[in-house]
Amino acid sequence: GENVEQHPSTLSVQEGDSAVIKCTYSDSASNYFPWYKQELGKRPQLIIDIRSNVGEKKDQRIAVTLNKTAKHFSLHITETQPEDSAVYFCAASGGSEKLVFGKGTKLTVNP
Amino acid sequence: ETGVTQTPRHLVMGMTNKKSLKCEQHLGHNAMYWYKQSAKKPLELMFVYNFKEQTENNSVPSRFSPECPNSSHLFLHLHTLQPEDSALYLCASSRGTGSPYEQYFGPGTRLTVT
Repeated sequence: GENVEQHPSTLSVQEGDSAVIKCTYSDSASNYFPWYKQELGKRPQLIIDIRSNVGEKKDQRIAVTLNKTAKHFSLHITETQPEDSAVYFCAASGGSEKLVFGKGTKLTVNP
Repeated sequence: ETGVTQTPRHLVMGMTNKKSLKCEQHLGHNAMYWYKQSAKKPLELMFVYNFKEQTENNSVPSRFSPECPNSSHLFLHLHTLQPEDSALYLCASSRGTGSPYEQYFGPGTRLTVT
């Protein structure tokens, strides 16, 4: 089955800096890659997703890149703000409804 | 507030108790999920239901018993749990068309087994 590895497990940046979180997946048939943000005490919420027919997708300060050959995808957050502090989860899906999640990255943005 | 609700929000139960968790979605979705969130395995899929049929059981112990009476409601029946079952139990829903789409999560039930 699918296996998703996520790095780093913790990340601390200064406000205004960029943050990058990387994930690798094992199943070459996976074709959907969402990123979820979970603030402390709240539910996970989708922030951006990408499908395998696209190499990059941007939404304001957030971007996701996908390298199908290497089977890895990354989340990029530019001009980080304190409200970006949260746990971020990547996930992969191989065509069914099922998502396999990475173990999460705790991002701290220091003012 | 999103369209996925869960009750109760907090539950403390002894190892010999029987309790049930409830999830309801108002999004018109056809797929519903149970996840266990703990420090060791942050988002661990337990069960998937699509159009009321169970399509995934991720090797979950039989002390957890899911029920999906219709596409809008999902239950997780608990009995003779162990302390290591203490965790946040999250319900989610999605379109359920056979292809992956965004999953919408509920607020979760914080379960403590004493």
